[in-house]
Amino acid sequence: QAQVVESGGGLVKPGGSLRLSCTPSGFTFSDYYMSWIRQAPGKGLEWLAYISAKGTTVHYADSVKGRFIVSRDNAKQSLYLEMKSLRVEDTAVYYCARDFTGLDYWGQGTLVTVSS
Amino acid sequence: EVVMTQSPATLSVSPGERVTLSCRASQSVTNNLAWYQVKPGQAPRLLLYGVSARATGVPARFSGSGSGTEFTLTISGLQSEDFAVYFCQQYNNRPPWTFGQGTKVEMK
Repeated sequence: QAQVVESGGGLVKPGGSLRLSCTPSGFTFSDYYMSWIRQAPGKGLEWLAYISAKGTTVHYADSVKGRFIVSRDNAKQSLYLEMKSLRVEDTAVYYCARDFTGLDYWGQGTLVTVSS
Repeated sequence: EVVMTQSPATLSVSPGERVTLSCRASQSVTNNLAWYQVKPGQAPRLLLYGVSARATGVPARFSGSGSGTEFTLTISGLQSEDFAVYFCQQYNNRPPWTFGQGTKVEMK
């Protein structure tokens, strides 16, 4: 059974940085594109970033372009989201998901709180 | 960017009822449309992809239809475990992927 588990969330001050990780299991990670998505409190789902299977192609939502960087290490079977210049409005649960004909496997998410 | 608009925002229904949720795209997304179920504290769950293909383990009471810009998710015979928020998402051509704002299905 394919699974992904996010980690790395926490409390950070405005302007700060944080790196999220996503650890997959149950599928060949290096064969699949991956995406990051978030859900702010009381809000809907927002797609943030996408990375191709080999990591050669990335795309970002305008809301995080220039502040967030998605990367992956296929040898370590890990996906990352480096977040800089964090804002209060970045407070959300962050999810990673396998990106294959829709987002077919999601983790439980990791909470990022940006507050002074 | 493709804007996805869902209606209604909230549906109040009773178990056993047939439920229809709508999703409209601001431009054609061909058949690259997915539906998700989100419950508090749980991982979002893919229900349908390619408009109408059910994801692994999704019951047959969930069905999808539409093409281009107008799409529908139907739940035939709502079960208690189906009370949740439902989102549509387009994944046409290349990112950015975009979600609708969601429809909350609540108990009447």
